[in-house]
Amino acid sequence: DSGVTQTPKHLITATGQRVTLRCSPRSGDLSVYWYQQSLDQGLQFLIQYYNGEERAKGNILERFSAQQFPDLHSELNLSSLELGDSALYFCASSDDRVVGTQYFGPGTRLLVL
Amino acid sequence: SQQGEEDPQALSIQEGENATMNCSYKTSINNLQWYRQNSGRGLVHLILIRSNEREKHSGRLRVTLDTSKKSSSLLITASRAADTASYFCAINSNSGYALNFGKGTSLLVTP
Repeated sequence: DSGVTQTPKHLITATGQRVTLRCSPRSGDLSVYWYQQSLDQGLQFLIQYYNGEERAKGNILERFSAQQFPDLHSELNLSSLELGDSALYFCASSDDRVVGTQYFGPGTRLLVL
Repeated sequence: SQQGEEDPQALSIQEGENATMNCSYKTSINNLQWYRQNSGRGLVHLILIRSNEREKHSGRLRVTLDTSKKSSSLLITASRAADTASYFCAINSNSGYALNFGKGTSLLVTP
């Protein structure tokens, strides 16, 4: 158990809909990262938040957004969903005092029908 | 691309044998990490090696890093059926904290 929790575990929704994925980092970690894993694209970095502020952006679509709250949990919002958004979405956390290990949650499996 | 590229894509061995996976990359790195993923589940961190290190050990795992060749290898000794999983190298470049993952090596260990 990495100490990172993600909810829900599974999501099935329709095209055009909007969903919110939630992540709670390990106790004491200030950084939260979001990654997407799909069969064709592999594991891709989406976005990083550090202590409530956006720190880095990767291959995140404009339809996607994220935020980190004062209690350090984070939410990833996916809107106007398309079939191609079906993937595993992982959250990871780290303390980032030194660039190092990221601890991954169990992931949310999203299926867009 | 900053991504690591693992080789081979798939590896099938018998229990007790050693498994070696390689990772090549193109950018300067801060560190390189190896992760394991059991089918469709979360990623488990195995080992981190920093750019100024050449070799690290953790239990049955041995990782080497050659920054001149921009390559790393992961050796699993005396493999077990429970080692069956996908193994990913992840590059942490000098430009940030995010990890750039390769496509992974799928390892099958048969009893």
